[in-house]
Amino acid sequence: NAGVTQTPKFQVLKTGQSMTLQCAQDMNHEYMSWYRQDPGMGLRLIHYSVGAGITDQGEVPNGYNVSRSTTEDFPLRLLSAAPSQTSVYFCASSLGQTGVEAFFGQGTRLTVV
Amino acid sequence: KQEVTQIPAALSVPEGENLVLNCSFTDSAIYNLQWFRQDPGKGLTSLLLIQSSQREQTSGRLNASLDKSSGRSTLYIAASQPGDSATYLCAVPRGGADGLTFGKGTHLIIQP
Repeated sequence: NAGVTQTPKFQVLKTGQSMTLQCAQDMNHEYMSWYRQDPGMGLRLIHYSVGAGITDQGEVPNGYNVSRSTTEDFPLRLLSAAPSQTSVYFCASSLGQTGVEAFFGQGTRLTVV
Repeated sequence: KQEVTQIPAALSVPEGENLVLNCSFTDSAIYNLQWFRQDPGKGLTSLLLIQSSQREQTSGRLNASLDKSSGRSTLYIAASQPGDSATYLCAVPRGGADGLTFGKGTHLIIQP
């Protein structure tokens, strides 16, 4: 059972480039979300999805785009990378929105130069 | 807005000691509280999930308690081992919104 799988694990981008961080889960979870983790700031919610075709913004959504075409996949797109987006990105999934255990991927470490 | 605070920020103790990590939150209207472990350069591993109706949860040498009325949770680690060295995070559902609000973690070092 793979759980939550994120790719790539590491990425270096130049300012202005775009890329997609992939996230897939095999637990048939309806709820998926993206966080970024920065030193001194903790983890902050970027976007989330309560099911296929439904997405919404979290605490820090600017500069990121998401879509949810299947239950399994929830990619995060950086439209035009900026140095302020240098961070570690985590994808999470759970059966529901509240009251249930959340499972996290191993993270993608992104550096924007 | 829900805020989560973890004390201490860092802790270094000799192997074998029992220790307590603290987590406090500002909005007591939570469904649950979850404790995670994060190893350097790794993802988050769920340790314990406590529902709002529960007072505590146990898993092996770990025991987590929840006092909603005072906005506090503690993670008790018995007979600590060097393998317990990691950052421990607590998280609660964001007040009125989706996702989780995390504390900044306690960085724990167990000295052999």
